[in-house]
Amino acid sequence: GENVEQHPSTLSVQEGDSAVIKCTYSDSASNYFPWYKQELGKRPQLIIDIRSNVGEKKDQRIAVTLNKTAKHFSLHITETQPEDSAVYFCAANQYGGATNKLIFGTGTLLAVQP
Amino acid sequence: KAGVTQTPRYLIKTRGQQVTLSCSPISGHRSVSWYQQTPGQGLQFLFEYFSETQRNKGNFPGRFSGRQFSNSRSEMNVSTLELGDSALYLCASSFSGGTTDTQYFGPGTRLTVL
Repeated sequence: GENVEQHPSTLSVQEGDSAVIKCTYSDSASNYFPWYKQELGKRPQLIIDIRSNVGEKKDQRIAVTLNKTAKHFSLHITETQPEDSAVYFCAANQYGGATNKLIFGTGTLLAVQP
Repeated sequence: KAGVTQTPRYLIKTRGQQVTLSCSPISGHRSVSWYQQTPGQGLQFLFEYFSETQRNKGNFPGRFSGRQFSNSRSEMNVSTLELGDSALYLCASSFSGGTTDTQYFGPGTRLTVL
């Protein structure tokens, strides 16, 4: 079945440094790749998403890149701040038919040290 | 617009009981998906409803069921609860339920089975 692998599982950076989280997916038909941030005890919140008609998307300090040939996509956070500390999940849609199913990666715990 | 809401926020049940969880999507959204979140398995897709019809179902036993009402509100039911059903149950709504639609999550219902 579809699978999304996410690395690393934990990431510790110093405030101001950059953080990169990488995901690979197995379903070559997937065409939607959202990233969610989940703080402790809170709901997952969408921070950025990319659709397969673009290779890169940026929103202030956050960017996502997509390589459809290699079937991987990455989240880049620049100038990290302590409030960026959270668990980040990547996901890919299951394409085909009338469905809105997301397959999630296992999450990355990002700790930004002040 | 109000966000996705879920009730109750916390539930404690014993093995063998059944439970019903409720999800109210963002106004105007017609698709509701349910996910189970556990530390060991991460975020796993349960099922998706669109216009009162189940469009997709994940790999969960038949004890897990759901429905959607004409106002797009959704309920999920778990019968004959097992210890392993302890989890955070999240619902997510999207506007049209298209495969690249953004999904917005509710705060979740924390279910503990004793």
